Amino acid sequence: NAGVTQTPKFQVLKTGQSMTLQCAQDMNHEYMSWYRQDPGMGLRLIHYSVGAGITDQGEVPNGYNVSRSTTEDFPLRLLSAAPSQTSVYFCASSPFFLNTEAFFGQGTRLTVV
Amino acid sequence: GNSVTQMEGPVTLSEEAFLTINCTYTATGYPSLFWYVQYPGEGLQLLLKATKADDKGSNKGFEATYRKETTSFHLEKGSVQVSDSAVYFCALSEGQGGSEKLVFGKGMKLTVNP
Repeated sequence: NAGVTQTPKFQVLKTGQSMTLQCAQDMNHEYMSWYRQDPGMGLRLIHYSVGAGITDQGEVPNGYNVSRSTTEDFPLRLLSAAPSQTSVYFCASSPFFLNTEAFFGQGTRLTVV
Repeated sequence: GNSVTQMEGPVTLSEEAFLTINCTYTATGYPSLFWYVQYPGEGLQLLLKATKADDKGSNKGFEATYRKETTSFHLEKGSVQVSDSAVYFCALSEGQGGSEKLVFGKGMKLTVNP
């Protein structure tokens, strides 16, 4: 059972480039989310989805796009990378109700130069 | 909105020392409370949780009690090990019915020396 798989693990982008961070889960979880982790800031929610075809914004959505065409996949798109998006990105999934456990991927370390 | 405030550290302890990490929250209603742990180079994983007032969560020797009267969820361990070196996050769940989110504190890095 793979759990939550994120790719790539590391990425360097130039300012203005676009890319997609991939996230896949094999636990049939309805709820998926993306966070960014910055020093001294903890984890901040970017976007989340409560099921296929449904997405919503979190605390820091600007500069990011998401879609949820299947239960398993929840990609995060950076439209035009900026140095302020240098961060570690985590994808998480959980059963529908959040008073259960959230399962996190191992993270993607993104550097924008 | 809802928020979580926790000790930020970093904290360095010797093996077998007692550990307390303070966590207080601000929330409307009665959120579920969590402690997540992040070991070096890994994603977060759930350490323990409590879903209602006076509940005690426990796992791997760690404990935390949901205190509604003081809006706190402090994490404790009686004797830490080198393997407990990690970053610890307090969190709460807010919202309901499809709009639920996890709100995290800033995290506290713990280093345990032999």
